[in-house]
Amino acid sequence: AQSVTQLGSHVSVSEGALVLLRCNYSSSVPPYLFWYVQYPNQGLQLLLKYTSAATLVKGINGFEAEFKKSETSFHLTKPSAHMRDAAEYFCAVSVGSGGSNYKLTFGKGTLLTVNP
Amino acid sequence: EAEVAQSPRYKITEKSQAVAFWCDPISGHATLYWYRQILGQGPELLVQFQDESVVDDSQLPKDRFSAERLKGVDSTLKIQPAELGDSAMYLCASSLTARHPSRRGGELFFGEGSRLTVL
Repeated sequence: AQSVTQLGSHVSVSEGALVLLRCNYSSSVPPYLFWYVQYPNQGLQLLLKYTSAATLVKGINGFEAEFKKSETSFHLTKPSAHMRDAAEYFCAVSVGSGGSNYKLTFGKGTLLTVNP
Repeated sequence: EAEVAQSPRYKITEKSQAVAFWCDPISGHATLYWYRQILGQGPELLVQFQDESVVDDSQLPKDRFSAERLKGVDSTLKIQPAELGDSAMYLCASSLTARHPSRRGGELFFGEGSRLTVL
């Protein structure tokens, strides 16, 4: 079975500081990995996705994530935090690329707080 | 920009009452999903439709939950009777095709959700 674990339910950083949100996955087959962002009282928006084309994936809003098979990790980073980055971030995994019946399995989320 | 529309945004109900949520996906999107997001947790898939057919409802509590997408466009999720543990955000998402979410056309677009509080 596939799953993701997000380490740290709450991360607090100062504006301008590095953002690091951790995600580890468990999958018996090569996974597809995603990061989504959810602003208060809104739906989820895709930040970036890993599809095996490149281990370093760049997404929107200056975020990027690196797939490390040896560490089974897909951590999300941003060099310099902005106040507008304050939101909840979800890591998700899906396996398989065929058929029409697949699932995105989400982690529990990490709430990012950015302090002025 | 096209969006996934959901209503109501907020619903407060008493336990044992019936409640319904409506979702209108992005025009032309064949695949529709209902997710439940309990506070402090990630979204969990309840049901997936391909056009009007159910593809996956393995996590849908069928004794009290039902979902339909009669004409393959908009969809309704119903809970009857509601229980305290049903308090959550109900998210609808759609994708152009049933392709994998990593593939072109398979990306999920989420609505703003319907927040249910059961008293």
